[in-house]
Parts: sequence; C-alpha cells; structure tokens
Amino acid sequence: GESVGLHLPTLSVQEGDNSIINCAYSNSASDYFIWYKQESGKGPQFIIDIRSNMDKRQGQRVTVLLNKTVKHLSLQIAATQPGDSAVYFCAEKDPSGGGADGLTFGKGTHLIIQP
Amino acid sequence: GAGVSQSPSNKVTEKGKDVELRCDPISGHTALYWYRQSLGQGLEFLIYFQGNSAPDKSGLPSDRFSAERTGGSVSTLTIQRTQQEDSAVYLCASSSSGGLETQYFGPGTRLLVL
Repeated sequence: GESVGLHLPTLSVQEGDNSIINCAYSNSASDYFIWYKQESGKGPQFIIDIRSNMDKRQGQRVTVLLNKTVKHLSLQIAATQPGDSAVYFCAEKDPSGGGADGLTFGKGTHLIIQP
Repeated sequence: GAGVSQSPSNKVTEKGKDVELRCDPISGHTALYWYRQSLGQGLEFLIYFQGNSAPDKSGLPSDRFSAERTGGSVSTLTIQRTQQEDSAVYLCASSSSGGLETQYFGPGTRLLVL
C-alpha cells in the first residue's frame, strides 16, 4: 500500500552543524506536506508545511524542500541546538481525504544533537 | 494560551478492564482527531470528528474501541476489555476546521495494560 517513510531512523549531528532529515512518499495525489517535531513525553508540534505547488519553504532555522519528481521531502535545520533533539515526523495529505482527514504520518527520525 | 489537554496523563490498568481517555480540544476547533502511537512508531489514525458530521471511524482497530464527542467539544475514547497490545500513547489533536488547517496535539495519555 501507499505509505510515508523515512530513510534513517536515527540521525546524530554535532551541535552547531546543519542537519537534513529525509522523507519519501509514494502517494502522487498528496498535495500538502507537514513536518512535526516530537520531544520526549510530549505530543507532536507543527514545525513547517509546504504545498505541492512549491518546492521550497523557509522558516526560522528550518527549510523544507519538496521534490515531486522523485516524491521526496526533506527538512533542513540550520545551526542545530540541543533543543532540536527530538523525533521528527513527516506527514502527507491526500486531498481525497479518508482516515485522519487524509493525513498520513511517517514513522519518524530521531535527531540526536551531540555537544 | 490554552492548548489541547488530555487526561489522565498516565493510566495503568489490568487486562480485561475498560478505560476512558479524555481530550479537551482548543476552544472553537471543530475538528478533533485521535491517534495511537506505539513505542518507537509513528502515529496511527483512529478516529476523526468534524463538526456535526458523522465521525470517520475507519482507523479504529477493533469494536473494543469507541469514541464520542459531546457538544462538539470534549471527546472521550473508550477501550473495552483492554488487551496488552493496547498499551501505547494515545494522542488527541484538534484543528480549527480540518482540511489544511494545522493540527495541534495534546501531550497524550500513556496507557499501560498489565
């Protein structure tokens, strides 16, 4: 079946370095993508989103890139800080709906920031 | 400001018992979602409420699971005759109107079935 997945379950980077978290999706009908951050013991928190008519969107220290040709999504975090340590989930939305209003979550990547 | 709240934060129960999990969405949000997150896993959709429409129950894993939303606000997820495999974090989220509106998550209820 169609699913949202991540290439790496764990990513370790040095504090101050940039990090890139990748996500592959297979539903070509998805038109909206979201990145969530989940810290230990907390619920997921919205970070940034992007619609399928865009290929790049920037926020504060974060950038999301969308490559619809290869169905690939990435989250770039600049100058990582200890507070960035968390699990990061990508999610895709199918406009035809179904399930969680069409939203499907990937399994997550655990980002570890080393001092 | 007030976000999504869930209670209890932790619940330990014995196999075969029923449990009720509560979610208080952000005031005014018409869409409410329940998810289940097993250890080290992603979010598994359970049920979606939107306004006064019939809920989308397509994610409920068995008939032991049910949910209600009273008055378009507070929601209760009930698990009957709990099994050990029901142990997980149960997350609730709300959004202002569904669709592309951001889902705001509560802290979750950690359920352990012994």
